[in-house]
Amino acid sequence: KNEVEQSPQNLTAQEGEFITINCSYSVGISALHWLQQHPGGGIVSLFMLSSGKKKHGRLIATINIQEKHSSLHITASHPRDSAVYICAVQGGGADGLTFGKGTHLIIQP
Amino acid sequence: GAGVSQTPSNKVTEKGKYVELRCDPISGHTALYWYRQSLGQGPEFLIYFQGTGAADDSGLPNDRFFAVRPEGSVSTLKIQRTERGDSAVYLCASSSQKGRDSPLHFGNGTRLTVT
Repeated sequence: KNEVEQSPQNLTAQEGEFITINCSYSVGISALHWLQQHPGGGIVSLFMLSSGKKKHGRLIATINIQEKHSSLHITASHPRDSAVYICAVQGGGADGLTFGKGTHLIIQP
Repeated sequence: GAGVSQTPSNKVTEKGKYVELRCDPISGHTALYWYRQSLGQGPEFLIYFQGTGAADDSGLPNDRFFAVRPEGSVSTLKIQRTERGDSAVYLCASSSQKGRDSPLHFGNGTRLTVT
């Protein structure tokens, strides 16, 4: 079974700061997902990665397959980025996703 | 087009009752997943369908839980003899196919409360 660890669990930062959220997993995977969940809201898929790096607006996601590690970066953070960010991995013997517990991000104005 | 739709959005039921939760995936999506999220936790996998068949049901916690997808589109998650520990948000997701280039689309979930 894949063990997915995220850090930090909670993060509070000021508007404009550069944010990094980390995810590590224990078993080789076919893909890694970064998801965003607003309080009381549904889950939105931000990225799906199998290698390298992806960028969408102020969000950047990277993955190092050899190190079994991924990072999600937010540049020029804004209060509307406040949400729970969840890392989930696919593969490694399982059909469904294995989720991390999430990182609760608060961006203060 | 429309996203993944889950109904009802909220369901309150008494312990011991039977409930059905419905998921309408994005049209044409062959892969469908059910997850469960308890308060303060990340989602946990329940079952995965590829087409009409349950390709992986290893996440179903016990035989009170069952899911169907008879025509390869809409899926129903069924819970018999509900227990208070079943209270959670039940999430459904779909993708166009299982594979590395198929992003997931999530529904807003059904919040189940067993009293």
